Amino acid sequence: SQTIHQWPATLVQPVGSPLSLECTVEGTSNPNLYWYRQAAGRGLQLLFYSVGIGQISSEVPQNLSASRPQDRQFILSSKKLLLSDSGFYLCAWTSGGDEQFFGPGTRLTVL
Amino acid sequence: GNSVTQMEGPVTLSEEAFLTINCTYTATGYPSLFWYVQYPGEGLQLLLKATKADDKGSNKGFEATYRKETTSFHLEKGSVQVSDSAVYFCALSANTGFQKLVFGTGTRLLVSP
Repeated sequence: SQTIHQWPATLVQPVGSPLSLECTVEGTSNPNLYWYRQAAGRGLQLLFYSVGIGQISSEVPQNLSASRPQDRQFILSSKKLLLSDSGFYLCAWTSGGDEQFFGPGTRLTVL
Repeated sequence: GNSVTQMEGPVTLSEEAFLTINCTYTATGYPSLFWYVQYPGEGLQLLLKATKADDKGSNKGFEATYRKETTSFHLEKGSVQVSDSAVYFCALSANTGFQKLVFGTGTRLLVSP
């Protein structure tokens, strides 16, 4: 069966520090991968998606970037965090069908 | 563009009460519609879905009917439990090639004993 992992689960970082969040999927090949952010009291905002290794599409201009170095690995990064980057980050995958499967999320607090 | 509008929360109910969470959408073409649920501190889980007009999605006592004439997909449950307390997200997928979900802002449900 397929599983999706995210780490770390919780992260507290100072403003201006770098960021790296990792997402991996097991049990499937060539998934479509997504990064979402959920800010406090708000809905989900799609940040990036990827249809294959090295292929990244950005949905909104921002302080973040994404990379897909391997088929089932999706990384969210920043060189310098802002206060506004705080939120709950969710990774998701789909095999091309209707349903997206979400990871457990990473709660990021930027102080 | 495509969008989803959900009722503001929180919705506060007593156990065994009837639940309705309203959801309306704007989309070109014929989207698929979804309800996702997020329990405290967790990611999202698919609750139910409907892929064409008049379809009814159902799961765990929840149901929603795809109403094209009113562009709605309201979530209902006849008798809520404390364990149903969560945030519920309505979403659509435009079915135009690559699958991207557009989410509503979420509605928090609080059920008290």
